[in-house]
Amino acid sequence: DGGITQSPKYLFRKEGQNVTLSCEQNLNHDAMYWYRQDPGQGLRLIYYSQIVNDFQKGDIAEGYSVSREKKESFPLTVTSAQKNPTAFYLCASRAGGTDYGYTFGSGTRLTVV
Amino acid sequence: LAKTTQPISMDSYEGQEVNITCSHNNIATNDYITWYQQFPSQGPRFIIQGYKTKVTNEVASLFIPADRKSSTLSLPRVSLSDTAVYYCLVGFQKLVFGTGTRLLVSP
Repeated sequence: DGGITQSPKYLFRKEGQNVTLSCEQNLNHDAMYWYRQDPGQGLRLIYYSQIVNDFQKGDIAEGYSVSREKKESFPLTVTSAQKNPTAFYLCASRAGGTDYGYTFGSGTRLTVV
Repeated sequence: LAKTTQPISMDSYEGQEVNITCSHNNIATNDYITWYQQFPSQGPRFIIQGYKTKVTNEVASLFIPADRKSSTLSLPRVSLSDTAVYYCLVGFQKLVFGTGTRLLVSP
């Protein structure tokens, strides 16, 4: 079955360490997105990529970095510069063109101690 | 990007029809209107999408007036499992999520 996979589901890191969250999709979607969700809040856009080797900052990109070397993969690195990294991170993909429906992964809950 | 406004929360009972209205006064010509459902600790799930008039699928209907400045998600005969947060989004390539509407369905 086609889908979008995020791993791991839970992640614990010490303060000051960089951590990379994985996002892989086999839907052949062109566009991929990273969102952050804090308790009781909506989703906020971190980064997005419309095509391979290209990406744009979202609303809260500071302290995060991404790469898009392959169509299937869009990893997110949470750097030590991110002041409050503890959150629920969601990856999504979209086919592109006139298909505006997003497919979301199941999320990674990152806890920094 | 068009901003959306929807009620923070709604309560209903099993078997009732629930209508959640979203306003989007600054919607652009290219924008579609999309609704998502989210359960705790899960990614949002696509419910329905439309551009104008009425769209219906197996789980919901979406009503969009001619001026497209608002839309209404209609959930027929809700059950306890419909308790979730519902997001209304307007956009093209980049979707902006608000805080959504928390729907609580009681027995």
